[in-house]
Amino acid sequence: AQKVTQAQTEISVVEKEDVTLDCVYETRDTTYYLFWYKQPPSGELVFLIRRNSFDEQNEISGRYSWNFQKSTSSFNFTITASQVVDSAVYFCALSEVPSGAGSYQLTFGKGTKLSVIP
Amino acid sequence: NAGVTQTPKFQVLKTGQSMTLQCAQDMNHEYMSWYRQDPGMGLRLIHYSVGAGITDQGEVPNGYNVSRSTTEDFPLRLLSAAPSQTSVYFCASSYSTPGEQYFGPGTRLTVT
Repeated sequence: AQKVTQAQTEISVVEKEDVTLDCVYETRDTTYYLFWYKQPPSGELVFLIRRNSFDEQNEISGRYSWNFQKSTSSFNFTITASQVVDSAVYFCALSEVPSGAGSYQLTFGKGTKLSVIP
Repeated sequence: NAGVTQTPKFQVLKTGQSMTLQCAQDMNHEYMSWYRQDPGMGLRLIHYSVGAGITDQGEVPNGYNVSRSTTEDFPLRLLSAAPSQTSVYFCASSYSTPGEQYFGPGTRLTVT
């Protein structure tokens, strides 16, 4: 069974600090997909990134970067020079290739609440 | 495009009542799903559909029914509401799986 662990329940940082959100996953598959979603205080869920298990290249998008390490089953998310608008709950999620006639299902971690203090 | 829409935004039910949460998308996505979000639990998959006429159970399907008669709509029915079903419900759709899922704004349901 697939599992996603976000050990950090809540994190507070002062604006302009860098912060890393941890995500550790468990899967028996060799092919799988990892995601990060953001949920700001307004409540909607916003897609941030998707990676497949064969692409271990780190990704950078503006102040956001993701570090995928298969050796440690981790897919960590770093925000550089954090801003108040980054305050949100961030979810890591995992999807395995379905067996038989099944379909991909997303398993979410419990989320990390990030508070950026001005 | 309106994206994924959900109605109602808020709902209060008494134990034993039934109701339907509506979800619609105008992006011609084949894959649709329902999640519930509870404090400290993340999102958990209730039911999903890979196309009109095809549905399947997720992680927490008990007490809920779904149907998919059209590509656009994917209603979630609560058969007999229980306090344990107090939650925020999100509908999502995607063009393919495991693609980027587009989420609706959510329905906050309270069962008393």
